[in-house]
Amino acid sequence: SQELEQSPQSLIVQEGKNLTINCTSSKTLYGLYWYKQKYGEGLIFLMMLQKGGEEKSHEKITAKLDEKKQQSSLHITASQPSHAGIYLCGASSNTGNQFYFGTGTSLTVIP
Amino acid sequence: GAVVSQHPSWVICKSGTSVKIECRSLDFQATTMFWYRQFPKQSLMLMATSNEGSKATYEQGVEKDKFLINHASLTLSTLTVTSAHPEDSSFYICSARGYTGGDEQYFGPGTRLTVT
Repeated sequence: SQELEQSPQSLIVQEGKNLTINCTSSKTLYGLYWYKQKYGEGLIFLMMLQKGGEEKSHEKITAKLDEKKQQSSLHITASQPSHAGIYLCGASSNTGNQFYFGTGTSLTVIP
Repeated sequence: GAVVSQHPSWVICKSGTSVKIECRSLDFQATTMFWYRQFPKQSLMLMATSNEGSKATYEQGVEKDKFLINHASLTLSTLTVTSAHPEDSSFYICSARGYTGGDEQYFGPGTRLTVT
């Protein structure tokens, strides 16, 4: 199975602070997705990265995929309480038949 | 965009009974559907992958006789939790991938199951 390890497991930050979440794969990634979720609710798609070295931004969130395509980072600038939730990276298996999620990062933003 | 629905959104059942959860792709044909479960403060764990017209492929550790998956058509997959127990209480999410012009998959809103 595709193993995706996220760090940190949980994060508590003061509003306005920047933060970074990492997602590391045991295998080469052929597409890395980032989602946001609150337990008991659906997933919110954030970004998808495919190419080594690719970087995408949406509002205050930036995601990067390293050149070797085995690690991705999600960076939030000037965090707000609305950023709180569970952040999940996800990727397909190398056969494309399965889709796995990372271990998840729980983010709390203190006003 | 492509829409995936789940029904019911929440269900409470008694221990020992079975409960069925439906996952539908509303505006596209889903050749593959995935079922995940999630416990509080944890990530989504892939339970099984189902392709229309064939048997589901279960992940290691998931009991196929307990979690029956049927992908009878290109728009519907069902997950039946048989002889449910309190430890089966969880949040179940499905996703669908198919003929949408891309390789993306679309997630349902989830079903919260509580077994009393």
